[in-house]
Amino acid sequence: EVQLVESGGGLVKPGGSLRLSCSASGFTFSNVWMSWVRQAPGKGLEWVGRIKSKTDGGTTDFVAPVRGRFAISRDDAKSTLSLQLNSLKTEDTAVYYCATDRWGAFDNWGQGTLVTVSS
Amino acid sequence: DIVVTQSPLSLPVTPGEPASISCRSSQSLLHGNGHNYLDWYLQKSGQSPQLLIYLGSTRASGVPDRFNGSGSGTDFTLKISRVEAEDVGVYYCMQALQTPRTFGPGTKVDI
Repeated sequence: EVQLVESGGGLVKPGGSLRLSCSASGFTFSNVWMSWVRQAPGKGLEWVGRIKSKTDGGTTDFVAPVRGRFAISRDDAKSTLSLQLNSLKTEDTAVYYCATDRWGAFDNWGQGTLVTVSS
Repeated sequence: DIVVTQSPLSLPVTPGEPASISCRSSQSLLHGNGHNYLDWYLQKSGQSPQLLIYLGSTRASGVPDRFNGSGSGTDFTLKISRVEAEDVGVYYCMQALQTPRTFGPGTKVDI
């Protein structure tokens, strides 16, 4: 059974940093592209960014509002995905989900972790 | 960026009756490989989203066959043949042809 478990969310002040983790199990993590999707309170879904498998180059891509502030990395040995959030803004407040990214679809999702940016 | 729109934004449904949601994209989602890169997701209250349909019309594993996706290019439809009470929630379409991936605003389905 595929499991994705996010952690690391919390309350942070504007301008601060946070590192989210996503622990994966039940599939061969190294073979799969992974994405982060966020959802602001009461709002819709927004794709944040993606990291390809190392076989496919391991490159990352981000939505414009977070480009240059967020970074995605993966540790295939530990089946762990990370999202580094820097220079946080109040508008980054959201539940952050990690998801497997196959055939352009997010076929498995974690339960999400809440990031609150507030002074 | 590709803009994705949905209609209606709110859809009252009756159990046992069919329901339909429309999704449109600002650019064709038809890839050269013949696939349309359009997905459908359902987010039930208090839960993470779940994949229903990918590549425009392929049902995800475990998704009941009352859910059907159709369309090509810029116009897509999700049809529920006979709505069940458990189908309530917010439905999102998302284009997966290019980054940034973009979601529609969501359609709230309730009874």
